[in-house]
Amino acid sequence: DIQMTQSPSTLSASVGDRVTITCRASQSIGNWLAWYQQKPGRAPKLLIYDASSLESGVPSRFSGSGSGTEFTLTINSLQPDDFATYYCQQYNSYSWTFGQGTKVEVK
Amino acid sequence: QVQLVQSGAEVKKPGASLKLSCKTFGYTFTGFPIHWVRQAPGQRPEWMGWIQAGNGNTKYSQKLQGRVTITRDTSASTVYMDLSSLRSEDTAVYYCARGGHDYGDYDNWGQGTLVTVSS
Repeated sequence: DIQMTQSPSTLSASVGDRVTITCRASQSIGNWLAWYQQKPGRAPKLLIYDASSLESGVPSRFSGSGSGTEFTLTINSLQPDDFATYYCQQYNSYSWTFGQGTKVEVK
Repeated sequence: QVQLVQSGAEVKKPGASLKLSCKTFGYTFTGFPIHWVRQAPGQRPEWMGWIQAGNGNTKYSQKLQGRVTITRDTSASTVYMDLSSLRSEDTAVYYCARGGHDYGDYDNWGQGTLVTVSS
C-alpha cells in the first residue's frame, strides 16, 4: 500500500492566520489526491480533489497544490469554523489510503 | 440533494458477523461507486472496499480480504457491507461514501454507524 504522511500532526493557529499542511506519498501518485476536513463526531467533508480542484460549495480560502509525492493544503485567513482535523487521501491505486491527520487547534 | 443514510449502531460479540446498510437518495444509483471506510477511535480513516453500483464489481482491502463482502440492491438504491469473524479491533465508526469526481475521492458520506465489538 502507498503510505501517506502528513506534517505537522498538530498545528496551533489564530483566526486570520495562513495555514499550510503538507502531505507526502511513499511513491508517486500523480495528482490523485484529496483533502478532507473532519470535526468530532462527524463524517469527513471533501474540500479538494485531484490535488488542486476545489469541491463545490467549499470556501475559496482553501486551496491545494502539488503532484507526484508532495502536496499542500493551504487555508488563507483561518476562520473559527476551520478548527478541525484535516486528512489527505490518495486514490492512485486500488487501495486507497489516508494520512494520519493534522489537527488545527486554537493558539 | 444527494444523501446516504446508514443503518443504526450495533453491538457485537467477538466471532459474530455484521451487516450494515447504506441507502442512497438524490442521484442515479448505478452511476457512482460506493466505498466503505471505517475509523477506529482516534485513528485515521481506513478504506475497506468498494462496489461499482452499475455492474456490481467489487474490490476489497488486502487486510480485510476474506472477511468483508459488499453487495448492492439496485431496486432499493442500497449498498450492504458484511464483515465476519469480528474482533475487538473492528470496533469503529463505519461510513459509506460515494465515489465522486474520479470515483476515488468521496464527495458524499453517510452519517456513520458505530460498531462496538465486545464480550
